Amino acid sequence: KQEVTQIPAALSVPEGENLVLNCSFTDSAIYNLQWFRQDPGKGLTSLLLIQSSQREQTSGRLNASLDKSSGRSTLYIAASQPGDSATYLCADSNAGGTSYGKLTFGQGTILTVHP
Amino acid sequence: NAGVMQNPRHLVRRRGQEARLRCSPMKGHSHVYWYRQLPEEGLKFMVYLQKENIIDESGMPKERFSAEFPKEGPSILRIQQVVRGDSAAYFCASSRRHSQETQYFGPGTRLLVL
Repeated sequence: KQEVTQIPAALSVPEGENLVLNCSFTDSAIYNLQWFRQDPGKGLTSLLLIQSSQREQTSGRLNASLDKSSGRSTLYIAASQPGDSATYLCADSNAGGTSYGKLTFGQGTILTVHP
Repeated sequence: NAGVMQNPRHLVRRRGQEARLRCSPMKGHSHVYWYRQLPEEGLKFMVYLQKENIIDESGMPKERFSAEFPKEGPSILRIQQVVRGDSAAYFCASSRRHSQETQYFGPGTRLLVL
C-alpha cells in the first residue's frame, strides 16, 4: 500500500526566504507526482506535475524535483511571498494495482510567509 | 474554459437523509475522480469513473455510498442515510484523456450532517 509523507508538517518563514518542502513515497512504481496548493476552505490548485520519466519541472518561482529511486520529491519555492501562504500537498499516481487513476496524498505542509 | 464545477458548495443534512453531490468536469474531460477530506485528515481517494463506467471504487465505503457518471450530465456522488461521520469536504477532479494526466480539482462540497 502506497504511503506518502510530507515534512515538515508546518513551516513559518519571513518574506523573501527560499524554502524547500519535502515529500516521500514508499512505492517507487509511480506514473507521476503532482504538487498542489490548497487555501483554507478552498479546492486544490495544481502547481506542477512530474512524469515518472522526468527529474524536475519548473513554473515561475516554483521548482519540483523527483527522485524515484529514493522515493522523494521536493518543492522549492524561491523568494517566498505572503501570498504563498497555504497548505501544500503532494500526491502520486501509483502504477501498481488495478487502477492508475488514483492519487495518494500526503498530509500536507502548512506554509506561513509573514511580511 | 470553465474549471471543474461542483454544487452545491455547502450542504446541510440531518441524520438519515440523502445527500447528492454533483460534479461537472472541465470541457473535454471524460475522467472523473471523487476524493473526501475528513476534518483533520488528508485527502482520500473514493472512486474513479469514465463516462458510464466505474473504473475503480476501491475507496468507497461498502454501504450507503454510490457514484455515477452518465453519458449526459454531471457525475453524481450519492450518500444515503447520512451519519455525522459523513461530514467532510468532498472534492471532484477531472482529467482529459487518461488518468495519468493532470487532475484538476473543483472547489468542493462541504457536507455537514446534523
